Parts: sequence; structure tokens; C-alpha cells
Amino acid sequence: KQEVTQIPAALSVPEGENLVLNCSFTDSAIYNLQWFRQDPGKGLTSLLLIQSSQREQTSGRLNASLDKSSGRSTLYIAASQPGDSATYLCAGGDNTDKLIFGTGTRLQVFP
Amino acid sequence: KAGVTQTPRYLIKTRGQQVTLSCSPISGHRSVSWYQQTPGQGLQFLFEYFSETQRNKGNFPGRFSGRQFSNSRSEMNVSTLELGDSALYLCASSLVSGPPDTQYFGPGTRLTVL
Repeated sequence: KQEVTQIPAALSVPEGENLVLNCSFTDSAIYNLQWFRQDPGKGLTSLLLIQSSQREQTSGRLNASLDKSSGRSTLYIAASQPGDSATYLCAGGDNTDKLIFGTGTRLQVFP
Repeated sequence: KAGVTQTPRYLIKTRGQQVTLSCSPISGHRSVSWYQQTPGQGLQFLFEYFSETQRNKGNFPGRFSGRQFSNSRSEMNVSTLELGDSALYLCASSLVSGPPDTQYFGPGTRLTVL
């Protein structure tokens, strides 16, 4: 049974810092790994999707990596901004649309 | 292109009632999934529909049911509401079921059970 864990649960950093969010999963037979952002009371915004055959994906200041053998994914945010403040969720996917979500990292970037 | 829409956005019900939530996927998307989000349990998968067929189901009691119509719109129903059903219900759509498609989420329906 797939279990997804995210560390840290919360993070507060000053603007401009580079930061790393961690995601661990127990079942290496993962088809893909997605990172989402959720603003308070809102739905989820997809940030990056890494297929099982890929090692990383980049979008702007975001870079996500996937290491299936160690059961880990990381989301790197460069030059953080106050607008990056949100909860970040990772989710492991199987061969359907079922996603197993982690508990999230609540990020606050202060000016 | 319009995103995933969910109606209603907010609902208040009392214990024992039933509720129906609606989800309209992005135009052309044929797969719709539903999730429940609570502070205690986080985001949990409810079920997935593809081409009007339930393809996958999470570990929820039979009070939770869903369906998908020929135009890919989906509804989920919760009967005999309990206080613990209070949650944000999110639906997501994708072009087809399974990888490599990205899932796109709607804004959610906030259900409060009194």
C-alpha cells in the first residue's frame, strides 16, 4: 500500500532563499509523481509532473526530481517570493488517475 | 479553455440528510476523480470515473457514491450525512485515465454537516 510522507510539515523563510521540500513514498512501483500547490481554502494547482521514466522536471523557478530507488522526490524553489506562500503537496500516481497524497508542507515566505 | 468547475461551492446540511455535488471537467477530458480533504486525514481518493464507468474506488463507506454522464460531467452523492463528512470535496479531470496525463483540480465544494 502506497504511503507518502512530506518533510518538513511547515517552513518559514525570508524572501530570496532557495529551499527544498521533501517527499518520500513507500512503493517504488510508482507511475508518476506530481507536485501541487494549494492556497488556503482553494483547489490544487498542478506544478510539475514527473513520469516514472524521468529523473526531473523544471518550470521557471521550480525543479522537481524523482529517485524511485530511494523512494524520494524533492521540490526545489529558487529565489523564493512571498507569493510562493502556500501548502505544497506531492502525490504518487498508479496506472489509473488515483493519486496518493502526502500530508503537505506549509510554506511561508516573508518579506 | 475553461477549467474544472464544481457546484455548489458551499453547502450546509444537517446529519442524516443527503447531498449531491457536481463536477464539470475541462472540455474534452473524459476522466473525473473525486477526493475528500479534511484537516485530520488530508486528501483521500474517493473514486474515479472514465467513460461513464467507475474505474477505481477508495476506501470509503457505501454512503459515498458517484456517477458520470455521457458528457463526462460527474456527480457524487453522500447519503445519511455524518458530522465527519464535513470536508472540502475536490474533483479533478484528465484527458484519459492514467499516466502520462496531468490532473487538473477544481476549486472544491465545502460541505459543512451540522
